[in-house]
This record gives sequence, structure tokens and C-alpha cells, in this order.
Amino acid sequence: DAGVIQSPRHEVTEMGQEVTLRCKPISGHDYLFWYRQTMMRGLELLIYFNNNVPIDDSGMPEDRFSAKMPNASFSTLKIQPSEPRDSAVYFCAAGGATWTPLNTGELFFGEGSRLTVL
Amino acid sequence: GQQVMQIPQYQHVQEGEDFTTYCNSSTTLSNIQWYKQRPGGHPVFLIQLVKSGEVKKQKRLTFQFGEAKKNSSLHITATQTTDVGTYFCAGLTDSGGYQKVTFGTGTKLQVIP
Repeated sequence: DAGVIQSPRHEVTEMGQEVTLRCKPISGHDYLFWYRQTMMRGLELLIYFNNNVPIDDSGMPEDRFSAKMPNASFSTLKIQPSEPRDSAVYFCAAGGATWTPLNTGELFFGEGSRLTVL
Repeated sequence: GQQVMQIPQYQHVQEGEDFTTYCNSSTTLSNIQWYKQRPGGHPVFLIQLVKSGEVKKQKRLTFQFGEAKKNSSLHITATQTTDVGTYFCAGLTDSGGYQKVTFGTGTKLQVIP
């Protein structure tokens, strides 16, 4: 397995544009987490899914952010419209390989998508 | 909401000195994990602690989980330049039958050769 794959690795866009970040998780992992990392706020949990169902989106900053997981092998995080304060590294992480009812086990992170909004 | 704080935020040590980072959660945790992120990289899993008072060792790294399952620490003995990076704890909490993973604020370690 190639691990968690994120795309694009880098994106530079202008304020107001739509941004779509993509994640292909590791097969056989029940959990998928989206995190945002900035110097000021660290690693913030945005949303997480279990078996493709969104469980907790309380970390999503605003209605401009949305996330979907149409199937077990693909998830997207969309920002529309984007703003300069959205500039950050966005990570997708898969967990649950050794899932028991109360244990996600190790999280496997993708390489991240570095977003710059001008 | 739940908060997971780490101290210190930054630490500079001479190579060979010891290093400790402390993690404190505002709520009781089911488990705690530790991750290391190298500059420009992504977080990589180090270990998971489950039991109250648990202590685990990985070579020069010692991890502890507090008795109340609200705090944890990572201690590195005799640091090396390869230890450079940011160390994160991650608190796992049961949320309606699912498990939520909240990362701490991180401690950035710089080792001076």
C-alpha cells in the first residue's frame, strides 16, 4: 500500500477562488481525519469520518468549508470562497487499522497539502 | 471544547542533554498517542499509551501516562541531532461510541551540536 495520498501538494490561489483538496486513505482503515496546521494554531481537527460517515465537523471553521467522503477510498475538503487566512498545511490521516470500539490505533498521515491564498 | 496543551512550546538543548515535554488535557482521555514531525514533514506515530500510570520506553525515549489519564510526558535521554523536530501528544476521547483524536500544541525541539 502506498500510504495516504494527498493532492495537490502545493496550491497557490487568489482570494475568492474555490479550492479542493483530495485524500486517498489507506484501504482497510475505518477512520479518516482532516487536520489543518498553522504556526499560530498548531494541528486543528477539522472533521473526521468513520466508515465514510461524518462523525464530528465541529472543527470546521465556517460554512465556507465542506468535506465529503463518497467512498472508502476518497475524501475531499473544499473551501469556497477561499480567504488569505485559510493559508495553511492541510493533512489527511487514516486510522482504525486495529480498530476496536474505543481505539483508532495509529494514525497515518499524508504528506499534506500546502495552501497559499493570496 | 477539549483542549490539549503542551509545554514548553520550544526547547533548545545541547546535544547530549536530556529533554522533556509535558502534555495536559482538559478532559480525561481513553488513550494518548505521541507523534514526531520533522521540519517540512508530516506527523509520524511514535507510541500509544492506554493504561493509567503506564510507562513505556523506546530506546532513549520514555513515555508516561498520568494516573488520572489527563496528562502525559515524553522524556528523551541524551539528545542527538536526529531528535530535532516537533513532538505532539494526541488525546483520544470517546465521542458517542467513536474515537476523537485531538492533538496537543506541540513542542519544537532544537538540538545544538
